[in-house]
Amino acid sequence: EAGVAQSPRYKIIEKRQSVAFWCNPISGHATLYWYQQILGQGPKLLIQFQNNGVVDDSQLPKDRFSAERLKGVDSTLKIQPAKLEDSAVYLCASSRAGTSNTEAFFGQGTRLTVV
Amino acid sequence: AQSVTQLDSQVPVFEEAPVELRCNYSSSVSVYLFWYVQYPNQGLQLLLKYLSGSTLVKGINGFEAEFNKSQTSFHLRKPSVHISDTAEYFCAVTLYNTDKLIFGTGTRLQVFP
Repeated sequence: EAGVAQSPRYKIIEKRQSVAFWCNPISGHATLYWYQQILGQGPKLLIQFQNNGVVDDSQLPKDRFSAERLKGVDSTLKIQPAKLEDSAVYLCASSRAGTSNTEAFFGQGTRLTVV
Repeated sequence: AQSVTQLDSQVPVFEEAPVELRCNYSSSVSVYLFWYVQYPNQGLQLLLKYLSGSTLVKGINGFEAEFNKSQTSFHLRKPSVHISDTAEYFCAVTLYNTDKLIFGTGTRLQVFP
């Protein structure tokens, strides 16, 4: 079974530029998460999708961050414009829908550096 | 709202020694509890989870954790660590009937020879 795929693995941009990350979850997983992991901290949930609908985006900075999952499969997370404090690893995860006791599977993440 | 506290940001230990990584949570409703491990430059991997039943849960790589409802704790233990256990360990919770997975700040386990 293929895991959660993320690209790119690394990205360096200047502040005020735009950037997009892509995630392809495990086949059949209806729930998809984007997390932001700042160095030395635990992952912080940015947005959670169930199929193509948003379940929770309460911690997504909506003035600069956006995410979509148009066909209920893969997803993109965009930052526009980026700030220095956006430097972090962005993790995508997926799980089967329906219950809260299922395992979330994580991709390797995209390390973003804003200079 | 629920939260997860990992009191120790770093735990240094010698190889073959026992280790305990502490995790406490706060929630007014029932939760499911998880421990994830993150090796350098890799994504998170599930170590073990508590859903219901026996409060002692065994996971991969010889780790185990005990759910203590009265103390709202879910400490992770291993009787004898190996160099390869050096990694970041995250405790996480989800509320019953939601899929919202909330993480603690992590504990870096450093195993020395």
